[in-house]
Amino acid sequence: GNSVTQMEGPVTLSEEAFLTINCTYTATGYPSLFWYVQYPGEGLQLLLKATKADDKGSNKGFEATYRKETTSFHLEKGSVQVSDSAVYFCALSESTGFQKLVFGTGTRLLVSP
Amino acid sequence: EAQVTQNPRYLITVTGKKLTVTCSQNMNHEYMSWYRQDPGLGLRQIYYSMNVEVTDKGDVPEGYKVSRKEKRNFPLILESPSPNQTSLYFCASSPQWPSGSPYEQYFGPGTRLTVT
Repeated sequence: GNSVTQMEGPVTLSEEAFLTINCTYTATGYPSLFWYVQYPGEGLQLLLKATKADDKGSNKGFEATYRKETTSFHLEKGSVQVSDSAVYFCALSESTGFQKLVFGTGTRLLVSP
Repeated sequence: EAQVTQNPRYLITVTGKKLTVTCSQNMNHEYMSWYRQDPGLGLRQIYYSMNVEVTDKGDVPEGYKVSRKEKRNFPLILESPSPNQTSLYFCASSPQWPSGSPYEQYFGPGTRLTVT
């Protein structure tokens, strides 16, 4: 079945450091890929998405590129802020028009001043 | 304001005492879903609904029931809760997904349930 694998956390960085959170997936067909973010005490919210190979999703300084050849969708940001501290989930949605999301286990990011 | 609301936000109960967690959305979305979030496991889908009176099992439906009598509401029912259902629960909704055009899912704030 479809699955998503994320790097273990927590990831601890100083403010203004470069961020990479790795995400790889296994899927049949052509899934859409997402990054969701969960701030403390809140529900998940969509950060960015990509719907086909080589698409780049971007939002709030974060970006991720859909790499079909390596089945990856790594999240990057050039300069993190304390306010980016949260849990980040990589997810895929099957290509059949059926809206089920398959999530990775989440990666906690802690940014210190 | 477009939102998904859940109640209660926190609940402590005892084994076997029936409970209902409500979920409501004000965006006229067709699709609604329940997930549970557990450490090291991410989010797993419990049940989903494609529209009124249309529901189906997700990956971990055992011990749960749902109903969809109105488009805006999708309650999660635990008929006889057990300690292994202690978890953080999220409701989500989205418009119907036409082929090739995925929509964002909107999540509620979560319900933290403890079953002793």
